[in-house]
Amino acid sequence: DGGITQSPKYLFRKEGQNVTLSCEQNLNHDAMYWYRQDPGQGLRLIYYSQIVNDFQKGDIAEGYSVSREKKESFPLTVTSAQKNPTAFYLCASSIIGYQETQYFGPGTRLLVL
Amino acid sequence: RKEVEQDPGPFNVPEGATVAFNCTYSNSASQSFFWYRQDCRKEPKLLMSVYSSGNEDGRFTAQLNRASQYISLLIRDSKLSDSATYLCVALNQAGTALIFGKGTTLSVSS
Repeated sequence: DGGITQSPKYLFRKEGQNVTLSCEQNLNHDAMYWYRQDPGQGLRLIYYSQIVNDFQKGDIAEGYSVSREKKESFPLTVTSAQKNPTAFYLCASSIIGYQETQYFGPGTRLLVL
Repeated sequence: RKEVEQDPGPFNVPEGATVAFNCTYSNSASQSFFWYRQDCRKEPKLLMSVYSSGNEDGRFTAQLNRASQYISLLIRDSKLSDSATYLCVALNQAGTALIFGKGTTLSVSS
């Protein structure tokens, strides 16, 4: 079945530690996105990529980094510079030109110990 | 002012009720709008697109008023399974990313 997978489902981070969230899709979509959702809040865009080896900052990119070495993969690293990383992280993908229809992965919940 | 604003609710309605959600957007250059549905602790999924001419899908009707920069979603004959958070969404001016509202929570009870 085609879709988006995110791992792990839950992730714990210690203070000062970098952690990487995985996102893989087999939908053959060119565009991929990372969002953060806090309780009672909408989704906020962290980074997005429309093509391999290229990505753009979203509204809240500070403290995060991404890479897009393969079309299928768009990992997100939460660095120690992100002072409030506890949130629900959602990865999505879409066809270029059809950004309104984004397919989301099941999300990763990141908690700081 | 947030780009997309919604009444967070919660809206608590009995089965069979009709309920309407409203949303406003601040960027008059935005061209495309949508409603997404998000179940508790799950990922959002596209519910429907919103057009000036209105868009109906079964019990759901979405409407766009560009003059007032206002979007609505009407749910008729509410079902228990409609309980979720409904996210109002605009495509950004560049057409490259979505801007999400905070969501309106609906709880349908028997």
